[in-house]
Order: sequence, then structure tokens, then C-alpha cells
Amino acid sequence: GAVVSQHPSRVICKSGTSVKIECRSLDFQATTMFWYRQFPKKSLMLMATSNEGSKATYEQGVEKDKFLINHASLTLSTLTVTSAHPEDSSFYICSAREPGLPNYGYTFGSGTRLTVV
Amino acid sequence: RKEVEQDPGPFNVPEGATVAFNCTYSNSASQSFFWYRQDCRKEPKLLMSVYSSGNEDGRFTAQLNRASQYISLLIRDSKLSDSATYLCVLQTGANNLFFGTGTRLTVIP
Repeated sequence: GAVVSQHPSRVICKSGTSVKIECRSLDFQATTMFWYRQFPKKSLMLMATSNEGSKATYEQGVEKDKFLINHASLTLSTLTVTSAHPEDSSFYICSAREPGLPNYGYTFGSGTRLTVV
Repeated sequence: RKEVEQDPGPFNVPEGATVAFNCTYSNSASQSFFWYRQDCRKEPKLLMSVYSSGNEDGRFTAQLNRASQYISLLIRDSKLSDSATYLCVLQTGANNLFFGTGTRLTVIP
């Protein structure tokens, strides 16, 4: 089945620094990838849709200048949290779906737990 | 109104019990439906897709009722390893996914 690799799994950074999270589709090409954020005991919230070769589409309330998304190839999307603050501490997860297989659902990366201190 | 409404639980059931979760949705144009399982501090993993005719995978049965706009998941003969949060997910349009808040299940020995 489809595999999505996400790295790093855990990161602790200082306030004001930037953190880059990578999401790779390992055995398929993903023209679209999705970035979610999940706070403790809450549901996943879609932050943005990453489109290969074009600008990402951000959900309402998500600052595009703070959460930079780059989808430069068919197998890699990156999310950079710029000038991180403690309130950005969360679980960030990417997902993608193997094209042509709608009933397989979406495959998620293993997530990145970000702690900003 | 939320796209997806799901009872957060928690459901605490003894081993061997049968438990059912329901999830309602508001958009009648929703096309695909899924149940995901999420363990604590882990990513969601696809449990099963939900088909209009209903489908079964071992101890798990999923059903879709388009007229009443809900999906359900039935777990028979609960195991300790079934303890997790179960998310209903629906897809509207090409790539619009909506997640329920999840129902937490704890199976007690």
C-alpha cells in the first residue's frame, strides 16, 4: 500500500526560530498533499493543501506567511513553521492519496510533534 | 453546522462486547466515507472504507445510510487492542476531507 514518510517525528525548538517538516510519498507520486494540525484531544484540522508546482491553498485562519509550504516535486512537500511561538506547539501530520485509488482512503505520515519553548 | 458530527465518547466496554459508533454528516453531496483509527499520539490509519451496501472486515462492520446521512461502525467481540480513537472521515469533491472529532473507545479486561 501507499506509504507516506514524515520527518522529523519530534522536534523541540526555541521561540523565534523556524522548523521545517518534510513529507514524502515513498512509492507513488502525489500531486496533492495535505497538512493537518492536531491539538491534544482534538480532531485533525486541515491547514493547507499543497499542490505540486503551484501555490498551496490555505484554510481560513491559517497564516500563509507563517506556515510556508513548498511542493517542489511529485514526492515531497515541506511545511516550514516560521518564527515559531509556544502556541504553535502541536502535532502536525501530512497526508496524501495514491492517485486512481479513491477507496483506499488517505495515507498519513507518522506526524511531527513540535514543542516550542 | 459542522460537516461531520461524532459522539466523542468515551465508550468503556468489557472485552467481548459489541460496540457501535455513529457519525452524521451535513453535506448530501459527500462522496466517499471512511473510518480511521488513531492511537494515542500516533497518526490516523485507515480502518475501512464505507460502501453504500455496507461492508464487513472480520469483526468490523461499516454501514452508510445516505437518506439519513450517517455512517456507522460496529465492532464485535471487542479486544483490548481495539482501544483507540475512531474517526469518521468523509470526502466531498476531489480533495475535501472532513474529519469527525473522534470517538474514544477503551476496552476493559
